[in-house]
Amino acid sequence: QLQLKESGPGLVKPSETLSLTCTVSGGSIDGSSYYWDWIRQPPGKGLEWIGSLYYSGTTYYNSSLKSRVTMSVDTSENQFSLKMTSVTAADTAVYYCARHGSSGRYSFIEYWGQGHLVTVSS
Amino acid sequence: SSELTQDPAVSVALGQTVSITCQGDSLRGYFASWYQHKPGQAPLLLIYGENNRPSGIPGRFSASTSGNTASLTITGAQAEDEADYYCNCRDSTSDHLAWVFGGGTKLTVL
Repeated sequence: QLQLKESGPGLVKPSETLSLTCTVSGGSIDGSSYYWDWIRQPPGKGLEWIGSLYYSGTTYYNSSLKSRVTMSVDTSENQFSLKMTSVTAADTAVYYCARHGSSGRYSFIEYWGQGHLVTVSS
Repeated sequence: SSELTQDPAVSVALGQTVSITCQGDSLRGYFASWYQHKPGQAPLLLIYGENNRPSGIPGRFSASTSGNTASLTITGAQAEDEADYYCNCRDSTSDHLAWVFGGGTKLTVL
């Protein structure tokens, strides 16, 4: 059974960089035709797709966040990461990592991490 | 970017049938997937593709698509179905690979 777990600071100061890591167990990031996602949910709001990283390392980002977001993969550790620069209070959210399958006209996010609350505050 | 529009809130009497809809141009080309989200838990995949349920998802959950509207139907709603529901699909309007979530629908079981 695939498991994903987010880790990183729970508190980040405004204007600084948010850094999160997702550790994958029960399966390999490398060599499987899936996308590895970051998704967030601000308090009282809905889910927002942040970006996806294909197993090959290619990245795709939400246009509204693209200038501040970088995703990367460390296949030796079976981890992938998110960095978001110049954070503000609006970036306070529960951040989820997830595995995303896609084929033709359909896609699905079958595996999710438990979620990690990041608060942006001084 | 494309938008997926959901009604913010829907209610259903216990044991009755309810449909939650998701509208957006991207749904003309891509199927929605549907997620149930309860407080403090990770979202749960309910339906993907034309009407595919992952193992363990009860048969009372089903989905359909017509034009730019995708629907999730719960036939015989149970108390434990009270949750937020989100649709998600690939964004056909983006110049690069992207996905988009609907705003979510809060389902109340009366």
